[in-house]
This record gives sequence, structure tokens and C-alpha cells, in this order.
Amino acid sequence: GNSVTQMEGPVTLSEEAFLTINCTYTATGYPSLFWYVQYPGEGLQLLLKATKADDKGSNKGFEATYRKETTSFHLEKGSVQVSDSAVYFCALNQAGTALIFGKGTTLSVSS
Amino acid sequence: DSGVTQTPKHLITATGQRVTLRCSPRSGDLSVYWYQQSLDQGLQFLIQYYNGEERAKGNILERFSAQQFPDLHSELNLSSLELGDSALYFCASSGRPDSYEQYFGPGTRLTVT
Repeated sequence: GNSVTQMEGPVTLSEEAFLTINCTYTATGYPSLFWYVQYPGEGLQLLLKATKADDKGSNKGFEATYRKETTSFHLEKGSVQVSDSAVYFCALNQAGTALIFGKGTTLSVSS
Repeated sequence: DSGVTQTPKHLITATGQRVTLRCSPRSGDLSVYWYQQSLDQGLQFLIQYYNGEERAKGNILERFSAQQFPDLHSELNLSSLELGDSALYFCASSGRPDSYEQYFGPGTRLTVT
């Protein structure tokens, strides 16, 4: 079945450091890929998405590229801020179906 | 603000009890999904409704049930509660049946004592 694997955390960075959170997937067909973010005490917010191979999703300085050849969707940001501290979830789905999530990666950014 | 609302925000109850969690989707969204988030299982899909009809089931226990009403709000009923049911329960909604994007509510934190 479909699955998502993302790097275990926590990831601890200093402000303005470069961020990469790795995500790989297993899926039949051509899923859509997502990154969701969960700030402490809050629900999940859609951060970015990509619906086909080579698409790049971007939002708030975060980027991820749908790589079919490596079945990956790594999240990157050039310069993290303290306010980026949160849990990040990689997810996939097929149209109209439930999301399948990775286990989440906790990011902690210090000033 | 995603436009998805969930009530209550917190719920504390005893083992063996029954609770109802409520979700109102974004205006115009016909699909509602329920997910459970726990420390050991992560985020798991429970059940999906589309325009009042059950569309898909995930890892939902037989003690749990859900429904979607004509005004499109949904309720998740959890009965014979066990300590292991303590978790965050999220509702998400999406628009068209072929839509990929889902928008999440703030969740209901259930604590079973």
C-alpha cells in the first residue's frame, strides 16, 4: 500500500540556518504530495503541495519538488526563523481519498 | 483560519463512556474526513463522508461511528471509551470529490481517565 517516510526528529537549528527535511514515498499511480505544519496546540495547516512530477510547491519561503525518479518530496527553507518551530508532516493522497501521513518531524529553531 | 470548526476543543471523560465530536466543514465543502492523532500511531485516517454518504473507511474501530447531516456538518461518536482512545481528533474538509487538498479544523483533544 501507499506510505510516507520522513526523517526522524527533532531537528534543532539556529536562526537563519538552512533547513532540509527528507520525505520519500511509496505509491501506486501518481499521487499528490503535501507538506502540512502543526504549530504547538494547533491543527494542521497546509504548507505547500505538488500534484505532478517536477512540480515545485512553495509557500512562506519553504519549497519542495516532486521527484518521481527518487520518489521524494524534501522540504527546504534557506533561512529558518524561530517562528518556524513546529512539527512538519509529509503526506500524499490520490484524488478524493484520505491523506497518508509520515510520522512528523519536530523542528526547533533557536535565536 | 481554515474555515473548518470543531467542538468541543477539549473533552475529559471516563472509561466506558460515550462522547460526540462535532465538525463543520468549510462553506461549500461536501467531503468530511476524520483523523486520529496519537503519540504511538501518528495521524491515522478514520472515515470519510461525501454529501451525507459514507465514502471510505480507514482504521476506525467498531466502537466508533460517524455521520454527516444534510447541512453537511459531521459528528464522530466514540463509545465504550478506553484509555487508549485518548488522542487528538481532527476533521478535514474538501470541496469536489476529485479534490486533493484538505483543510483541517483545530481538533478536539479527548482525554479518557
